Amino acid sequence: KQEVTQIPAALSVPEGENLVLNCSFTDSAIYNLQWFRQDPGKGLTSLLLIQSSQREQTSGRLNASLDKSSGRSTLYIAASQPGDSATYLCAVRHSRDDKIIFGKGTRLHILP
Amino acid sequence: DTEVTQTPKHLVMGMTNKKSLKCEQHMGHRAMYWYKQKAKKPPELMFVYSYEKLSINESVPSRFSPECPNSSLLNLHLHALQPEDSALYLCASTPTLTSFIQYFGAGTRLSVL
Repeated sequence: KQEVTQIPAALSVPEGENLVLNCSFTDSAIYNLQWFRQDPGKGLTSLLLIQSSQREQTSGRLNASLDKSSGRSTLYIAASQPGDSATYLCAVRHSRDDKIIFGKGTRLHILP
Repeated sequence: DTEVTQTPKHLVMGMTNKKSLKCEQHMGHRAMYWYKQKAKKPPELMFVYSYEKLSINESVPSRFSPECPNSSLLNLHLHALQPEDSALYLCASTPTLTSFIQYFGAGTRLSVL
């Protein structure tokens, strides 16, 4: 059974710092991995999608990497801003049954 | 238009009521999803429709009844819910079932009294 783990569960960093969020999964049979952002009480906003054949994707200050063989992905946020404060979720689409499994998220707080 | 629209935004219902949640997208996506999210927990997949046919049902209780009347619309019919069903219900869509970015709606906040 696919399990997705995100470390750390919560993170507070001063504004301007670069930071890395981690996501690991137990079964490498995935179609893709997606990073989302969720503000309290709101829906999810897709940040980056990495296909299983890709190594990384970049969008603005965000860079996501994927190492499928080791079951790991990282989300790198450069020059963090208070507006980046949110919960960041990763999700994998399992290629055996098409199901999407979410990690529990990392609650990020950027200190002004 | 890259929006997934969910209505209502908030819903309060009693345990004997019947209500429906609605999700709509006009991006031509043929896969649509219902998720349930409890506070401070990740979304949990409930149902997936692909080409208007139920593709995945994650053993959801029968008091939740999904319906996909056409390619743009997804409903979730609610009947005889329990207080523990109170949660944020999220709808999402993708062009087809695999390998595409999921677009999420803002959700319906459901409270069962």
